[in-house]
Amino acid sequence: KQEVTQIPAALSVPEGENLVLNCSFTDSAIYNLQWFRQDPGKGLTSLLLIQSSQREQTSGRLNASLDKSSGRSTLYIAASQPGDSATYLCAVRTRSNDYKLSFGAGTTVTVRA
Amino acid sequence: EAGVAQSPRYKIIEKRQSVAFWCNPISGHATLYWYQQILGQGPKLLIQFQNNGVVDDSQLPKDRFSAERLKGVDSTLKIQPAKLEDSAVYLCASSPGEKSYEQYFGPGTRLTVT
Repeated sequence: KQEVTQIPAALSVPEGENLVLNCSFTDSAIYNLQWFRQDPGKGLTSLLLIQSSQREQTSGRLNASLDKSSGRSTLYIAASQPGDSATYLCAVRTRSNDYKLSFGAGTTVTVRA
Repeated sequence: EAGVAQSPRYKIIEKRQSVAFWCNPISGHATLYWYQQILGQGPKLLIQFQNNGVVDDSQLPKDRFSAERLKGVDSTLKIQPAKLEDSAVYLCASSPGEKSYEQYFGPGTRLTVT
């Protein structure tokens, strides 16, 4: 069974600092990996999706890397802003799980103005 | 394009009572998902519909949970009777097709069982 872990559970940084969020997974035979953002009282919004053949994906200030062999992905957010405060969830799809999303518990980020 | 709608947004019930949640997916989306997100955990898939048929309900506690998708559009999730451990946010999501990686999530229904 795929286990997805996100450490730390919470993170607080001053505005302008770069954010580094970690995600690890136990089954390296993933199909793809997706990063989501969750704001309080709202649903999840997809940020980036990385296919298993890719090493990284970028969107604006966001960059996600994938290292399948070590079972790790990292989400980098450059020059953080108070609006980046949210919970960030990592999720993976594997063929053994019929391509269903297996989520980590998330990292709650607070960016202090 | 309207997003995924869910109601109610909040619900407080006593244990052993019943409750129902409603979801209206994005128009034209064939696939609909219900997730349970317990505080401090990631979402867990309860059931997946393709049109009005069930694709996966392996993690749905069928002794107390039931779900249906009417005419392949709206869906309801019911809990009867509720337990304290059912306190969670229930998220509905939809996607254009079964193999699509684009899942659009609704705002969720926060259930508190006392």
